[in-house]
Formats: sequence, structure tokens, C-alpha cells
Amino acid sequence: GAVVSQHPSRVICKSGTSVKIECRSLDFQATTMFWYRQFPKQSLMLMATSNEGSKATYEQGVEKDKFLINHASLTLSTLTVTSAHPEDSSFYICSARDRQGSYNEQFFGPGTRLTVL
Amino acid sequence: AQTVTQSQPEMSVQEAETVTLSCTYDTSESDYYLFWYKQPPSRQMILVIRQEAYKQQNATENRFSVNFQKAAKSFSLKISDSQLGDTAMYFCAFMVSGGSNYKLTFGKGTLLTVNP
Repeated sequence: GAVVSQHPSRVICKSGTSVKIECRSLDFQATTMFWYRQFPKQSLMLMATSNEGSKATYEQGVEKDKFLINHASLTLSTLTVTSAHPEDSSFYICSARDRQGSYNEQFFGPGTRLTVL
Repeated sequence: AQTVTQSQPEMSVQEAETVTLSCTYDTSESDYYLFWYKQPPSRQMILVIRQEAYKQQNATENRFSVNFQKAAKSFSLKISDSQLGDTAMYFCAFMVSGGSNYKLTFGKGTLLTVNP
């Protein structure tokens, strides 16, 4: 149980285009989902927290207009990188908290590698 | 704000031996959780072990155990009988209990290589 999927696993896009990444909880309802960014050989940095049906809360320094997060249902959150540039190339990971589970437990997706040319 | 420090960027160990990864943290909170996550080459984050700060007993999960020293704000991970599959990046993480959305703060990680 407690499986989180991400789609796509890899995406390559041209500079200036927008890219959408989906995060789904497959066998549980997620009231809260988290989006992280990970540069090569570095740690995970929390970008934003999304709660179902409400606006996402962004961490300091994260551009909310560039990284649009939508959490429209209890099983799906999306991250849209708008007008992507090469510096947005990174590994993006989502995690989700089970509505009926422990508050301290997050289940992670497998990540999405974004390359902007 | 909470900080998590992992002072060992890389470590290596021989198969079947024991290795200890260090982690220290800084917080003014009294109620929190500490975690060790493993990220193998597949990059899937896997929870290794979790410790509640109010519990004095150190958490144990099979070959993985922690040494939690609350006063020293230290949380090390011991891996016994190391296996090749333990080769991964290990992240120490902190979470305030009852904090806003229960967010995780990660350390920079320790790359562990298990040699045959």
C-alpha cells in the first residue's frame, strides 16, 4: 500500500515552454502533498506544500508564478513549470500524506527528471 | 528554523561490516520526529527508520538502529551486517510535531558505498 506515482518520469522541453508534472496517490487519499526539488548530488529542498482544495504554500525564494501547483483532488497534485529555462532543469519529487495515516509519515513518488534545452 | 547537519559527505564500508552515519540537528522545539531516508541509484526515497523525540528508547528496524541523544541533538544511524544493496545516499531529516503541515527538513546527505 501507500504508493505514489509521478508522470512523466522524464521530460525534455525547449526553453520557454511549460511543463506539467503529475503526482498521484494510488491507494490512499492525500490531504497534503509536498513538492521537492533536488539538484545533482544534493539534498531535497521543499518547494511548496499543497492541501486539497486550497492554494499551495510556497517556501521562501520559490517563485509561485513560475511553479504553479494545483491540488484539485484527494489523489492528484500537479506542478507546472511555466516558461521553463535551462536553470529549471532538475529532479522534482513529490510526496503525499495519507488522510487516514500518521501525520509524520510521507510517501514519496519516484521523481521526474526535467531537462530544459 | 530547524537545521540538519550531516558532516560525512561520503563513507564506505566492507560488506558484512558495521557503519555509523552521523547527524546533528538544531531546534528550539521540544516535540519532533527524526528520520533516516535512503535514496538508492533509482532515486526513490525510502524511509529507513523513524524516532519520536519523546521516546528515550532508540528505534530499531532489523539491521538499522539509531543512537538518539536528545540533549546533544544527535541522531546517528548504525547499519549492521552491511549489504551491497545498502549502497545509497542517506538523508537525515527533521519534522516538528504539530508544525505547519508537518514539513520535512533534510540534511545534505551521506553517500554510502558498500564494497564487496
